[in-house]
Amino acid sequence: DIVLTQAPLSVSVTPGESASISCRSSKSLLSSKGITSLYWYLQKPGKSPQLLIYRMSNLASGVPDRFSGSGSETDFTLKISKVETEDVGVYYCAQFLEYPRTFGGGTKLELK
Amino acid sequence: EVQLVESGGGLVQPGRSLKLSCAASGFTFSDYNMAWVRQAPKKGLEWVATIIYDGSRTYYRDSVKGRFTISRDNAKSTLYLQMDSLRSEDTATYYCATPPGDWGQGVMVTVSS
Repeated sequence: DIVLTQAPLSVSVTPGESASISCRSSKSLLSSKGITSLYWYLQKPGKSPQLLIYRMSNLASGVPDRFSGSGSETDFTLKISKVETEDVGVYYCAQFLEYPRTFGGGTKLELK
Repeated sequence: EVQLVESGGGLVQPGRSLKLSCAASGFTFSDYNMAWVRQAPKKGLEWVATIIYDGSRTYYRDSVKGRFTISRDNAKSTLYLQMDSLRSEDTATYYCATPPGDWGQGVMVTVSS
């Protein structure tokens, strides 16, 4: 199984500042079609997860452009610029390259 | 607007069965692969199973193989998860999803005597 390791476990950010979350994969997520199958989700308190970034760097519909995704074949970063109160929650990376689909352990973002 | 509405959860004893349903609307259900993802209390997300858009193939995580069955009725735009031989470790909120994008609100399953 592909293991996704997120860091840090939690991050505390002052509103208006930036935050970065790392996700490292145990295997390359680059497919033979040239697609990197790494996704980012945010689960706000008491809510279902919502898609933020698909295929490593593409912003999902309706997601503010304060969010951005980048990376290589195995190392990925979610950056949130100018954090707002509505960004609080747990962030997960996920891979859809192969089965079983796997998720990172999550990173909790809190406000200072 | 995409809507995924799960139902069928509840409290069940170990070893018993439960069947979850997910009613889909707002998109052409028969065009999309569908999945179940679960989340144990205070834990992270865990993929459970996926079914291809036409029902031709299914995929399961090892811990549920042989106990859970994912299925779909494209005429009714409904996804199912038949859960047999339930164990305490299956206790979780189960989400229906159109991978990778849309998720339902989730339904709680508690396996306890």
